[in-house]
Amino acid sequence: EPEVTQTPSHQVTQMGQEVILRCVPISNHLYFYWYRQILGQKVEFLVSFYNNEISEKSEIFDDQFSVERPDGSNFTLKIRSTKLEDSAMYFCASSSRGPSEAFFGQGTRLTVV
Amino acid sequence: SQQGEEDPQALSIQEGENATMNCSYKTSINNLQWYRQNSGRGLVHLILIRSNEREKHSGRLRVTLDTSKKSSSLLITASRAADTASYFCATDTNAGKSTFGDGTTLTVKP
Repeated sequence: EPEVTQTPSHQVTQMGQEVILRCVPISNHLYFYWYRQILGQKVEFLVSFYNNEISEKSEIFDDQFSVERPDGSNFTLKIRSTKLEDSAMYFCASSSRGPSEAFFGQGTRLTVV
Repeated sequence: SQQGEEDPQALSIQEGENATMNCSYKTSINNLQWYRQNSGRGLVHLILIRSNEREKHSGRLRVTLDTSKKSSSLLITASRAADTASYFCATDTNAGKSTFGDGTTLTVKP
């Protein structure tokens, strides 16, 4: 069964450093999403991406964040100048039909120290 | 209040019993989904129910949707220890994103 894969599974970074979280969506999907989940809290929407541009973003997704689809297969989330409060599980998702039928990856656990 | 609130927050039952979790939401939706998350792991999509549907089944799962009350329920029948996980509802509106609830933590004791 096709799946969304995310790398790395766990990333530890120093405060102030930049991190890039990587995702390989399902190959024929057109809609891409990033969500995050702070430990013990709900899953929060960050950004959606369609047709090579951001289609929707939340208040969380400020100038510290950016997304990119550098080639035909990868979808990345860059976090600049990381803060302690950026520590969370980051989920990538993709869909062929919008957010309702999105497939989620296993997540990248980001720990900022 | 937030879109997508589950209750109870935590539920503990014995293996073989049924587990019912509820979700309420505030705005009109296109679809509602239920997800499962094992501790520290990714989200697994369980079932999607569209706004024009009232009930849907998948194996031991039964989901209902009452758009007049803006609520949904997830029933897991004949629970197993392996069903121990957190369960989230997520609503999809025209905003192009899914909005998740706080989740219900289910513990099934063997």
